[in-house]
Amino acid sequence: EVQLVESGGGLAQSGGSLRLSCMVSGFTFSQYSMNWVRQAPGKGLEWVSYISSSGDTIYYADSVRGRFTISRDNAKNLLFLHMSSLTVDDAGVYYCARDRRVDEPFESWGQGTLVTVSS
Amino acid sequence: QAVVTQEPSLTVSPGGTVTLTCASITGAVTSAYYPNWFQQKPGQAPRPLIYSTNNKYSWTPARFSGSLLGGKAALTLSDVQPEDEADYYCLLYFGGAQVFGGGTKVTVL
Repeated sequence: EVQLVESGGGLAQSGGSLRLSCMVSGFTFSQYSMNWVRQAPGKGLEWVSYISSSGDTIYYADSVRGRFTISRDNAKNLLFLHMSSLTVDDAGVYYCARDRRVDEPFESWGQGTLVTVSS
Repeated sequence: QAVVTQEPSLTVSPGGTVTLTCASITGAVTSAYYPNWFQQKPGQAPRPLIYSTNNKYSWTPARFSGSLLGGKAALTLSDVQPEDEADYYCLLYFGGAQVFGGGTKVTVL
């Protein structure tokens, strides 16, 4: 069974940093590209970042480029999102999501981890 | 980044049919944007319904279908059931960046 479990959320100060993790199981992690998607309270979904299966191709949404860093450890089945210079607009639930193919993104999701940013 | 628009809310009667659309301000939506559709219920993670315009997952109800309609991506819910009440999001691919629509809240009333 495919499982994605996020962790690392919590309370951060505005201007501070936080590192999220996503532990996966039930599939060969190194064969799949991965993403982070977030959802502010009461708002819609926002794609945050993408990393290819090998980690050599990375994309970011304009809203986080230069502040967030996505990475992965294929040996440990872990996906990361390092977030810095946080603002209140970064608050919300952060999901990791697996791509099956380029035309079949976000085919599996974790349950999310909540990030709160105090001003 | 590109803006993708959806109807903010739609209401449908049980057993009825409703069509949700997904438009891009950059122009007509084509299959090259790999339109995807997701359903989200309160307190739950999103669940994929349709990928690459009109392909269903094994768990996608047969009464749900995806298409291209008048330069937009579309999701049609037929024979709507009370459990279909949810938020629905489209997703378009812009060559590296993925952009969600603002979501459509479907009420079954």
